[in-house]
Amino acid sequence: QKEVEQNSGPLSVPEGAIASLNCTYSDRGSQSFFWYRQYSGKSPELIMFIYSNGDKEDGRFTAQLNKASQYVSLLIRDSQPSDSATYLCAVNEGFTGGGNKLTFGTGTQLKVEL
Amino acid sequence: GAGVSQTPSNKVTEKGKYVELRCDPISGHTALYWYRQSLGQGPEFLIYFQGTGAADDSGLPNDRFFAVRPEGSVSTLKIQRTERGDSAVYLCASSANSGGPYGEQFFGPGTRLTVL
Repeated sequence: QKEVEQNSGPLSVPEGAIASLNCTYSDRGSQSFFWYRQYSGKSPELIMFIYSNGDKEDGRFTAQLNKASQYVSLLIRDSQPSDSATYLCAVNEGFTGGGNKLTFGTGTQLKVEL
Repeated sequence: GAGVSQTPSNKVTEKGKYVELRCDPISGHTALYWYRQSLGQGPEFLIYFQGTGAADDSGLPNDRFFAVRPEGSVSTLKIQRTERGDSAVYLCASSANSGGPYGEQFFGPGTRLTVL
């Protein structure tokens, strides 16, 4: 069974701090990794994706991937109260039939406190 | 442009009834996915369409679940003889990438199904 593990939290950080969200996965064959943000009662919203080892930056967000250790992380710099949400890590299971079947973690709840 | 739309936003039904959930993907997106999300869990893959055909239906929990996409755009997820355990948010996502593991998926607002 392919698994994606996340700490459920809540992770509390003060406003302006760096939030670090982590995710580990079991399938060494996974090739693509996605971070989604989900506000309560809303659907997941794509934040970032990463395919290659190393860091990828987009504004206040940095995704980090280490395939050898099978972990992917998301850093949020200058955290704002509006960043308070659940962050879902998603990992592709390999492309069956040409698609991109994703396995999601249970999500980490982030709370940014004033 | 318009995102993925899903109707209805909420559906309440009685145990044993039949329901249909509709998804209208982003225009031009050839790949369409259905997921199901239970409270406190991440979305769980159900089925994937590439064009009109179901390329991967390995996530459908049993034969009460069926989905179609007859013209390669709108998709309908059909659930027969609903059970209380089917209660969840059903999410649809679409992707412009027609192949490989790199397609970014964009989700619709979901349909919250409640089976009484």
